[in-house]
Amino acid sequence: KAGVTQTPRYLIKTRGQQVTLSCSPISGHRSVSWYQQTPGQGLQFLFEYFSETQRNKGNFPGRFSGRQFSNSRSEMNVSTLELGDSALYLCASSSGTSGRDTQYFGPGTRLTVL
Amino acid sequence: AQSVTQPDIHITVSEGASLELRCNYSYGATPYLFWYVQSPGQGLQLLLKYFSGDTLVQGIKGFEAEFKRSQSSFNLRKPSVHWSDAAEYFCAVGAQGNEKLTFGTGTRLTIIP
Repeated sequence: KAGVTQTPRYLIKTRGQQVTLSCSPISGHRSVSWYQQTPGQGLQFLFEYFSETQRNKGNFPGRFSGRQFSNSRSEMNVSTLELGDSALYLCASSSGTSGRDTQYFGPGTRLTVL
Repeated sequence: AQSVTQPDIHITVSEGASLELRCNYSYGATPYLFWYVQSPGQGLQLLLKYFSGDTLVQGIKGFEAEFKRSQSSFNLRKPSVHWSDAAEYFCAVGAQGNEKLTFGTGTRLTIIP
């Protein structure tokens, strides 16, 4: 099976802009989670989508949002970018149905905000 | 709330030496525990996981980890490290029915020849 794919791999934006990141899960996986990784805060959970519904949410401001499509692909959007949003954004997929799932991660999107 | 502590920020070992990376967790019920490895600029690769049963878990690349409930620990071990093991290692805890993982701050492993 193909792994989790994320596009684009690298992105440069300026403050105030918005950005959309995409994640395609492993075939058959219905849960997609997003994480932000920074040197200062480490890996932090953003949100999780399952069957097009947000099922879990981390402690991030409303500028961070996401959605999931019927084919389980997911996008996350960050509006009004701030310098502190510069990070590696990781997407993970799992079956989402067993209650004891393993999450498989994509290579990430490196976002730089100037 | 669940939390994970990895007390060692950076560890240096010689190639061929044994390795132990420490992980302590805090969680009210039976945790699901994971070790992931990240090479520079890459995503996270799952090394091994513990859900229940045998407390000694075998993973990929010759790694193993032991779940010790009494010590709230899930330490990662390898008997003989290879230069290719140089990377950052993350311990994570999850909960049943919840996809959210809580990660430790990571341990960066350097291998010297």
